[in-house]
Amino acid sequence: SQTIHQWPATLVQPVGSPLSLECTVEGTSNPNLYWYRQAAGRGLQLLFYSVGIGQISSEVPQNLSASRPQDRQFILSSKKLLLSDSGFYLCAWRQGAGYTFGSGTRLTVV
Amino acid sequence: ILNVEQSPQSLHVQEGDSTNFTCSFPSSNFYALHWYRWETAKSPEALFVMTLNGDEKKKGRISATLNTKEGYSYLYIKGSQPEDSATYLCAFGRSSNTGKLIFGQGTTLQVKP
Repeated sequence: SQTIHQWPATLVQPVGSPLSLECTVEGTSNPNLYWYRQAAGRGLQLLFYSVGIGQISSEVPQNLSASRPQDRQFILSSKKLLLSDSGFYLCAWRQGAGYTFGSGTRLTVV
Repeated sequence: ILNVEQSPQSLHVQEGDSTNFTCSFPSSNFYALHWYRWETAKSPEALFVMTLNGDEKKKGRISATLNTKEGYSYLYIKGSQPEDSATYLCAFGRSSNTGKLIFGQGTTLQVKP
């Protein structure tokens, strides 16, 4: 079966600390993968997308980066977190015309 | 800048009431319009994907319509139930290659028993 896994579910990190959020999919190959974020009081914003291994497109300038080291793995990172990086992060996988989302990570930077 | 606007921002209705929300999107270079249902602490759940002008989709008590020429979509819920309480998101897609979606801010529905 096709599933998407995202972890951790919640994270509290101090300002200036690094970040690594991981997303993996199962049951498919060469998926289009996406990282979205919902900041407080705002809608879901696309951060990065990837159409294949090593292929990353960034949508907005920011303090974050993404990598796709394997076909079904998508990682969101930061070297030094800012307070403004707080939010709810969702990984998504495109299935045909529709999307399947991961369960999300609530990141609080303190 | 591409904007997807949803209205109202929030809605409180009584159980049994019917309700509808609006999603406005750019009418140029349209590829697809998505509706999602998002409950707190859960993943957004896909409701509908619509690609053709005039599309109407239905899933139980929930239905949606699409007008790509004027750039709007309506989501209808007939006979709202407390379990319909959630945030309803619409998302506009321009490209079939990248699959990027632009989301509205959502309409939060609260159904009181």
